[in-house]
Amino acid sequence: NAGVTQTPKFRILKIGQSMTLQCTQDMNHNYMYWYRQDPGMGLKLIYYSVGAGITDKGEVPNGYNVSRSTTEDFPLRLELAAPSQTSVYFCASSLRQGNSNTIYFGEGSWLTVV
Amino acid sequence: DQQVKQNSPSLSVQEGRISILNCDYTNSMFDYFLWYKKYPAEGPTFLISISSIKDKNEDGRFTVFLNKSAKHLSLHIVPSQPGDSAVYFCAASASGWDDKIIFGKGTRLHILP
Repeated sequence: NAGVTQTPKFRILKIGQSMTLQCTQDMNHNYMYWYRQDPGMGLKLIYYSVGAGITDKGEVPNGYNVSRSTTEDFPLRLELAAPSQTSVYFCASSLRQGNSNTIYFGEGSWLTVV
Repeated sequence: DQQVKQNSPSLSVQEGRISILNCDYTNSMFDYFLWYKKYPAEGPTFLISISSIKDKNEDGRFTVFLNKSAKHLSLHIVPSQPGDSAVYFCAASASGWDDKIIFGKGTRLHILP
């Protein structure tokens, strides 16, 4: 079982460049999320989606964009990369049933902006 | 404005003893709580959860306790093993309010030989 797969694992970007972090899940989960984790900090929610065609901002959405054209895929787009976006990015998914909402994470993508 | 707080950045426990990790929350709308474990260079992995209709949930060596009146939950690991050394994150969500899952900053647990 692949679960949540995100690519690339590592990337170095120059200031002002753009890139897309890919995320796909094969568990038929309705909800998907993007988090970032900075050193010594918790996981901050960037964007999330409750289903195909629906996306919402999380705690730290500035500088990012997302789309959810299919149930499986939830790419995260960085426009005009800045050093403040140097972080570890985690994609996650969940199957919301009632108040139960256990999320499952990918392995992470390490991004450095120089 | 932290809605989920883990006030202990780190904790050291002797192997074989009980590890107790604490978490406080401020939002009374939260009704589902989760604990995740994270090793370096890996994604967080789900450990155990609890619904607000319960005050305790057990899974093997892991037990989560929820005190709604105090807005406090704790994770007990008994007995602690070397492989338990990791960062533990507490998380909370609120059904019927919005669909965000909010995480604390984490507590690094060191199991001492």
